[in-house]
Amino acid sequence: GEDVEQSLFLSVREGDSSVINCTYTDSSSTYLYWYKQEPGAGLQLLTYIFSNMDMKQDQRLTVLLNKKDKHLSLRIADTQTGDSAIYFCAESITADDMRFGAGTRLTVKP
Amino acid sequence: EPEVTQTPSHQVTQMGQEVILRCVPISNHLYFYWYRQILGQKVEFLVSFYNNEISEKSEIFDDQFSVERPDGSNFTLKIRSTKLEDSAMYFCASSWTGDNSPLHFGNGTRLTVT
Repeated sequence: GEDVEQSLFLSVREGDSSVINCTYTDSSSTYLYWYKQEPGAGLQLLTYIFSNMDMKQDQRLTVLLNKKDKHLSLRIADTQTGDSAIYFCAESITADDMRFGAGTRLTVKP
Repeated sequence: EPEVTQTPSHQVTQMGQEVILRCVPISNHLYFYWYRQILGQKVEFLVSFYNNEISEKSEIFDDQFSVERPDGSNFTLKIRSTKLEDSAMYFCASSWTGDNSPLHFGNGTRLTVT
């Protein structure tokens, strides 16, 4: 069946860029999301992109979508220690049919 | 910025007991959802709710589960007779429309069934 895949861990140095990758398999997906989960907190919506777009930039965040390869990435520029968290990729055809990846734990070292 | 709030943050209950998890969605949102995340597993869809009725539900959402919007602000998830495997983080979410707006999640309620 359809699934969303992410690598589980990423470690970067403070000030470097982080790139978190995600692959999805459902070509019918219309929206793709990135959520952030800090320890003890909920799922915070970071950004989302419609499937008819290939890039979206929001301050330090850049989302790239390659529909042909079903690949989504989140780039965080100038990564800070406060960016340490778990980042979830999610796809949806409708809001009822939203599927999450397992999450990538980003560790930012000083 | 408006946010989804959930109470309690942590609930411990004994197997077989009923629990009610509470959520206050963002005030102008029309669609409401419950998701859960068992420790170490993916976030899973449970149920969506619109216009005072269930829109969709997953296989997980069996007869032990029910949802209700008892007043204009609260949205609750009831588990009638909890099982050990119901232990998980339960997330409430809301969105302005069903298909065209992203979901905003609460901080979750960690349910521990002993």
